[in-house]
Amino acid sequence: GAGVSQSPSNKVTEKGKDVELRCDPISGHTALYWYRQSLGQGLEFLIYFQGNSAPDKSGLPSDRFSAERTGGSVSTLTIQRTQQEDSAVYLCASSPRTGGSFGETQYFGPGTRLLVL
Amino acid sequence: GENVEQHPSTLSVQEGDSAVIKCTYSDSASNYFPWYKQELGKRPQLIIDIRSNVGEKKDQRIAVTLNKTAKHFSLHITETQPEDSAVYFCARTSGTYKYIFGTGTRLKVLA
Repeated sequence: GAGVSQSPSNKVTEKGKDVELRCDPISGHTALYWYRQSLGQGLEFLIYFQGNSAPDKSGLPSDRFSAERTGGSVSTLTIQRTQQEDSAVYLCASSPRTGGSFGETQYFGPGTRLLVL
Repeated sequence: GENVEQHPSTLSVQEGDSAVIKCTYSDSASNYFPWYKQELGKRPQLIIDIRSNVGEKKDQRIAVTLNKTAKHFSLHITETQPEDSAVYFCARTSGTYKYIFGTGTRLKVLA
C-alpha cells in the first residue's frame, strides 16, 4: 500500500507567521510520531500519538508547537509565531503498534522542509 | 541514561572494504534495535533490524550483531559500494512507543 506522506514538501515562511504541517500515516497504523531534524543532525522526538491521543508531548520545544490527530489517521503539526530556529526538516513516522512485547518498525514520511526567513 | 551512543560520527572506506558502525545503550529493557539509512534529502529507511532474542541477523551484504551483556549492537556492511554512502542511524526501543535514535554516522564510500 501507500507509504507515509507529508505535505507540503517545502515551506518558506516569514518570521512570526503560523505554519501547519500535515502527515498521512500508513492506513491502519495506530502509532504516529513527529520528529525534527536540523541540518546534518539526528532525529529529535517531538510528540507521539496512539490513536487520537498524545500520551507524550514532552519533545515539543515550546508552547508555540502543537499537534493533533483526528480519526486515528491524519495528523497536523502547527507552529505558531515561527522563529528562524524553527527551520528544519519535520519528519512524520507511523507504526502498527500491534501491542506485542517487542518494538516495531517505524516508517517515515519524506518530511517537510521548513525555512523561516 | 536513555541515550544511544553511536560511533563513529563519520566513516570513510574504500569501495569493496567493510564498514562497521557501533551503538551502545544502557537500558537493559531494550529489545528491538533497528538501523535506518538516510540518503541526502531523503527519508530514513529501515535497512535491517534485530530483536533481543537473537544475536545476529544478516541480509545480503548487511548484518547486525547484538551483545546484550555488553549492551551494544553493530551494523556491518561488507563489499561496500558507492551507493552505500549515506547517513546511518541506529535506534532502540523497549516495546513501548519510545524510540531513541543514535546521532548518526556519515558513511562515505570512496570509488
